[in-house]
Amino acid sequence: DTAVSQTPKYLVTQMGNDKSIKCEQNLGHDTMYWYKQDSKKFLKIMFSYNNKELIINETVPNRFSPKSPDKAHLNLHINSLELGDSAVYFCASSLRDGGGVAFFGQGTRLTVV
Amino acid sequence: GQQLNQSPQSMFIQEGEDVSMNCTSSSIFNTWLWYKQDPGEGPVLLIALYKAGELTSNGRLTAQFGITRKDSFLNISASIPSDVGIYFCAGGLINTNAGKSTFGDGTTLTVKP
Repeated sequence: DTAVSQTPKYLVTQMGNDKSIKCEQNLGHDTMYWYKQDSKKFLKIMFSYNNKELIINETVPNRFSPKSPDKAHLNLHINSLELGDSAVYFCASSLRDGGGVAFFGQGTRLTVV
Repeated sequence: GQQLNQSPQSMFIQEGEDVSMNCTSSSIFNTWLWYKQDPGEGPVLLIALYKAGELTSNGRLTAQFGITRKDSFLNISASIPSDVGIYFCAGGLINTNAGKSTFGDGTTLTVKP
């Protein structure tokens, strides 16, 4: 059983397209996150949700829209994809917000061509 | 916002050598976490520290929570090839509304057999 699973693992798409990445956690955690890891391997938080409510939005372009249908799911929809969106996107969850131990998914490598 | 300085940025060592890396912050955290990321995977927790001055070991890994609560270090003894990867520190403020951990920029470790 994978604790935090995200799909797809790889995503190649053309500029201007709209795409979604799905994330599910079976740990019973209250808090879920989306992180972006760029080519320099820096991990930058994008969004944080606690019990389906958005608590952090780190100045991410509004082309990125997270959706949390329930506590166990946090999906990421991206409109009008740009070349600079190419990166690895990680979903994570933790028992509590404020920086508890986070469990990460395997990542989605997004390539925009 | 809070920032972490993680050093060194990269290390190239011989198998069997000891490794030391650290993180410093301009502000206080009440949690320090150390993660390792293998290629193609998400970060995985190595050690969690919850108390200033705490020294915790996990096999060949030892980490300490600095007494000022603004720094932490991770040591790896007798490195082996499978230690290769990116090591991230993260500072957190659990039981607050901070909403996230702050990650360092990572230390990339290469171990030569």
